[in-house]
Amino acid sequence: GIQVEQSPPDLILQEGANSTLRCNFSDSVNNLQWFHQNPWGQLINLFYIPSGTKQNGRLSATTVATERYSLLYISSSQTTDSGVYFCAVPTQETSGSRLTFGEGTQLTVNP
Amino acid sequence: EAGVAQSPRYKIIEKRQSVAFWCNPISGHATLYWYQQILGQGPKLLIQFQNNGVVDDSQLPKDRFSAERLKGVDSTLKIQPAKLEDSAVYLCASSLDRGRYTFGSGTRLTVV
Repeated sequence: GIQVEQSPPDLILQEGANSTLRCNFSDSVNNLQWFHQNPWGQLINLFYIPSGTKQNGRLSATTVATERYSLLYISSSQTTDSGVYFCAVPTQETSGSRLTFGEGTQLTVNP
Repeated sequence: EAGVAQSPRYKIIEKRQSVAFWCNPISGHATLYWYQQILGQGPKLLIQFQNNGVVDDSQLPKDRFSAERLKGVDSTLKIQPAKLEDSAVYLCASSLDRGRYTFGSGTRLTVV
């Protein structure tokens, strides 16, 4: 099945710093989603981004489908950005739209 | 728009007992998913429904797990009997036309 790799696995920032998270996937996909899991376990959908670039406030994402990667940019980080960031892509093996998740990037933003 | 509702929020049971989780998706979302998230890992799909039909249950341990979605709205996921390795967070999600996902808050299960 499709493989999803995220880097870095862990990231520690000071408040106000910028960061880039990367997601590589092993096969062509027709969509990609970025999620933030907060310390209470809630998974929030940040972006649905099959290709191109989208921005939402301090966050933006770029997917280059032809090169099989996506980037999540966080600017002027805040302590509330802490948590785990997952990217996920559809598994093509079945007729459903099951998402395969990466192992996540654990982000800690210190005040 | 109301989100995806799940209950209970936490559950502690002994091994070999049974447990059930409930999910109410976003109104109008035809696709409903149950995912299992073990600590330190990404979520993994257990079962996907399209309306009240099963689309993908290839990763569901059918000897102990079952799920249903009556009338194409609410869904329940059951484990019987539970094992220690079933300790995880069980997440329900829904989507419109198999697109962007919205997750519920999850049920944290501890099997002792």
